[in-house]
Amino acid sequence: AQSVTQLDSQVPVFEEAPVELRCNYSSSVSVYLFWYVQYPNQGLQLLLKYLSGSTLVKGINGFEAEFNKSQTSFHLRKPSVHISDTAEYFCAVTTWGSGGSNYKLTFGKGTLLTVNP
Amino acid sequence: EAGVTQSPTHLIKTRGQQATLRCSPISGHTSVYWYQQALGLGLQFLLWYDEGEERNRGNFPPRFSGRQFPNYSSELNVNALELEDSALYLCASSIGQGPHTSGNTIYFGEGSWLTVV
Repeated sequence: AQSVTQLDSQVPVFEEAPVELRCNYSSSVSVYLFWYVQYPNQGLQLLLKYLSGSTLVKGINGFEAEFNKSQTSFHLRKPSVHISDTAEYFCAVTTWGSGGSNYKLTFGKGTLLTVNP
Repeated sequence: EAGVTQSPTHLIKTRGQQATLRCSPISGHTSVYWYQQALGLGLQFLLWYDEGEERNRGNFPPRFSGRQFPNYSSELNVNALELEDSALYLCASSIGQGPHTSGNTIYFGEGSWLTVV
C-alpha cells in the first residue's frame, strides 16, 4: 500500500524568505508524485508533478520540487515567498495496480503555509 | 473552457437523511473521482468512475455510493447521514484512467460543503 507523510502540519514564514515543505512517501512500486495547493475556500490546484525524467520539477508560481528515490522524498521549495502563497499544500502519490484497476491518488494530510509580512 | 463544476456549494442535512452531490467534469474527461476532506483527516479517496463504471473505491461504508451518467457527469449519494460525514466533498476529473501520463492531470472542482446536524 502507498502512503504519504507531510512532516509539518504548519509552516509559518516571513515574506521573501525561502521555504521548504517536506513530503515523504512509501510504496513498493514506481510512483508518480504531485503537489497541489488549496487556497482558502477553494478546490485543489496542481502545482507540479513528477512522472519520470529529471528529478527536479518546476511548477507554477515559482515552486519547484525534487524527487529523491533513495530517500523516498519529494520536497517542495520556493526561494522567496509572497503573502499570496498562504495556502494549504498537499503532496500526493499514485501507483498502478494490476491492469490499472487499483489506481488511487493518495494525499498527505497537508501543510498550512502562512506567509507573514 | 469550464472547469470541474460541483453543486450544491453548501448543503445542510439532518442525521439519518440522504445527501446527493453532483459533479460535471471538464469537457472531454471521462474519469471522475470523489474525495472527502474532513477536518483533521486530510483528503480521503472515495470513488473513481470511468466510462460509466465504478473502477475503485476507498475505505468507506456502502452507504457512500454514486454513479456516472452517459455524459460523464457524476452523483455522490450518502445515505443514513452521520455527524461525522460533515466535510468538504471534492470532485475531480481527468482524461482516461489516472494521472500516469502528462495528459492525464487530475483537475479538481471547488467542492461541496456538507454539514450534518
